[in-house]
Amino acid sequence: EIVLTQSPATLSLSPGERATLSCRASQSVSSYVAWYQQKPGQAPRLLIYEATYRATGIPGRFSGSGSGTDFTLTISSLEPEDFAVYYCQQRFKRQTFGQGTKLEIK
Amino acid sequence: EVQLVESGGGLVQPGGSLRLSCAASGFSFSTSSMNWVRQAPGKGLEWLSYITSTSTTLYYADSVKGRFTVSRDNAKNSLSLQMNDLRDEDTAVYYCARGLEWSDGFFDLWGQGTLVTVSS
Repeated sequence: EIVLTQSPATLSLSPGERATLSCRASQSVSSYVAWYQQKPGQAPRLLIYEATYRATGIPGRFSGSGSGTDFTLTISSLEPEDFAVYYCQQRFKRQTFGQGTKLEIK
Repeated sequence: EVQLVESGGGLVQPGGSLRLSCAASGFSFSTSSMNWVRQAPGKGLEWLSYITSTSTTLYYADSVKGRFTVSRDNAKNSLSLQMNDLRDEDTAVYYCARGLEWSDGFFDLWGQGTLVTVSS
């Protein structure tokens, strides 16, 4: 099983700041990584797929980068609605998710 | 409206069975691959099962293989998950999720989830 490790577990920032979330795979997953946002009591929402492509309707402040084993989700300028839990996921070999990063208001 | 709506969750005793359903609307269900994903209380996401549009290919996570069975009825725009031999650790919110058309294996549409509680 491919293990995805996300860091940090919790990230405390203020609106307007830049957020950088990391996801490391236990083996190469090429570019087959997605990022999801989940708010309390809601289903996850797809943000980024294949490492760099924004899903339909996702604002331009969200961007993804990386390949191989190291991936990054960047939110260029945090809006109040961006504070949530973020998960990375790989589909290179079956599907697995990271444990999540909680982005909280500082 | 494009949506997925799960149903069938509830309280079941260990060793029991439950069948979840997912009703799709607003999109071409018959050409979409589908998945089940769960989330234990306060925990992360776990992919469980995948089924292609024509049911020709099925995949399961090791944690549920042999106990859970995914199926679909394209005529009724419906996805199901038959869960047998349920264990305490199967307690979770269960989501159905559509596979992204141009990158199957990622999930671009999710239901609201249905809670399954396994407890005596």
